[in-house]
Amino acid sequence: GENVEQHPSTLSVQEGDSAVIKCTYSDSASNYFPWYKQELGKGPQLIIDIRSNVGEKKDQRIAVTLNKTAKHFSLHITETQPEDSAVYFCAVGPSGTALIFGKGTTLSVSS
Amino acid sequence: GAGVSQSPRYKVAKRGQDVALRCDPISGHVSLFWYQQALGQGPEFLTYFQNEAQLDKSGLPSDRFFAERPEGSVSTLKIQRTQQEDSAVYLCASSSGTGYGYTFGSGTRLTVV
Repeated sequence: GENVEQHPSTLSVQEGDSAVIKCTYSDSASNYFPWYKQELGKGPQLIIDIRSNVGEKKDQRIAVTLNKTAKHFSLHITETQPEDSAVYFCAVGPSGTALIFGKGTTLSVSS
Repeated sequence: GAGVSQSPRYKVAKRGQDVALRCDPISGHVSLFWYQQALGQGPEFLTYFQNEAQLDKSGLPSDRFFAERPEGSVSTLKIQRTQQEDSAVYLCASSSGTGYGYTFGSGTRLTVV
């Protein structure tokens, strides 16, 4: 089955710096790659997603890049703010049913 | 409603007790998913419904876990004879399609003592 690895597990940055989180996956048939943000006591919230026919997608300060050949994708957050502090999860969708999640990255942005 | 609603938000059960967790998906969403999230881990898939049909239950950890969605809307996850290892947050998600862009509820935190 699909295996998703996420790195790093924790990331501390200064306000205004960029943050990058990376994920690798194993199943070349996977075609959907979302990123979720989870704040304490809340469910994961979708922040950006990409399909396998696109290499990069950007939404304001957030971008996701996908390398299907190498089976990895990354989340980039620019100009980080304290409210970006949360746990971020990558996920991989094998053909539209269950998502397989990474173990999460705890991002801390200090002002 | 505007989002996915789960109840109760917190549940403490004595070992051996049965529990029922409820999920109200976004109105009109045909797909509904249950996930289990252990402390410090990512969500893990339990089961998937399309309308009232349970199409995938491969993630249910044992036959003590049972889920239903009889009218294709509200869903209930039932855990019989709870064990300490069942302690986790149980998340429900719904989507209008078959797995893209789903919306999660806030979850039910189950603690088995």
